[in-house]
Amino acid sequence: AQSVAQPEDQVNVAEGNPLTVKCTYSVSGNPYLFWYVQYPNRGLQFLLKYITGDNLVKGSYGFEAEFNKSQTSFHLKKPSALVSDSALYFCAVTSWDTGNQFYFGTGTSLTVIP
Amino acid sequence: DAMVIQNPRYQVTQFGKPVTLSCSQTLNHNVMYWYQQKSSQAPKLLFHYYDKDFNNEADTPDNFQSRRPNTSFCFLDIRSPGLGDAAMYLCATSRGLIGTPNEQFFGPGTRLTVL
Repeated sequence: AQSVAQPEDQVNVAEGNPLTVKCTYSVSGNPYLFWYVQYPNRGLQFLLKYITGDNLVKGSYGFEAEFNKSQTSFHLKKPSALVSDSALYFCAVTSWDTGNQFYFGTGTSLTVIP
Repeated sequence: DAMVIQNPRYQVTQFGKPVTLSCSQTLNHNVMYWYQQKSSQAPKLLFHYYDKDFNNEADTPDNFQSRRPNTSFCFLDIRSPGLGDAAMYLCATSRGLIGTPNEQFFGPGTRLTVL
């Protein structure tokens, strides 16, 4: 079965510190992985994706994510957190085996403390 | 700018009164999705269209229907809204599995309140 796990409902980090939001996945076929961010009462905004190639993917707003095939993980990272990064973050996976369907994690609420 | 537009942004309806939510896109994407999202939970896929091909999720209630009259527009019809249908409804588009999978582009959502 296809699934995405975000083990932390809430992550708190001090402004200026590095942040990590965790994601693990299970999917048949080669995984294609995505991170989205959602601000209150807004739709999801695309941050970055892993399709193939380098395991370290860079995206919008200084975010990056590392694909680890052996650990089936795709953790989101940022070297220095901003208060404006506070939002809800979703990891998603798809593959050729899932057709056009994306599977989302339950989301992680990130709070950056000034 | 190319984008995904949802109308209205906020919709209030009465229990049992049919309601239609609309989504339009200027991205010319093949695939359009409807998701239901409740209070900071993961978006739940209701159905999607690949061009005119309709794909319904097995657990989507019959109360929810969809129409896609052309590439640009897609509608979500809730025939008899119940209190449990109060949620944010998100429309998304993608180019589909052409070459490699492409990210979904989301609209701002319609927040549905059922009185």
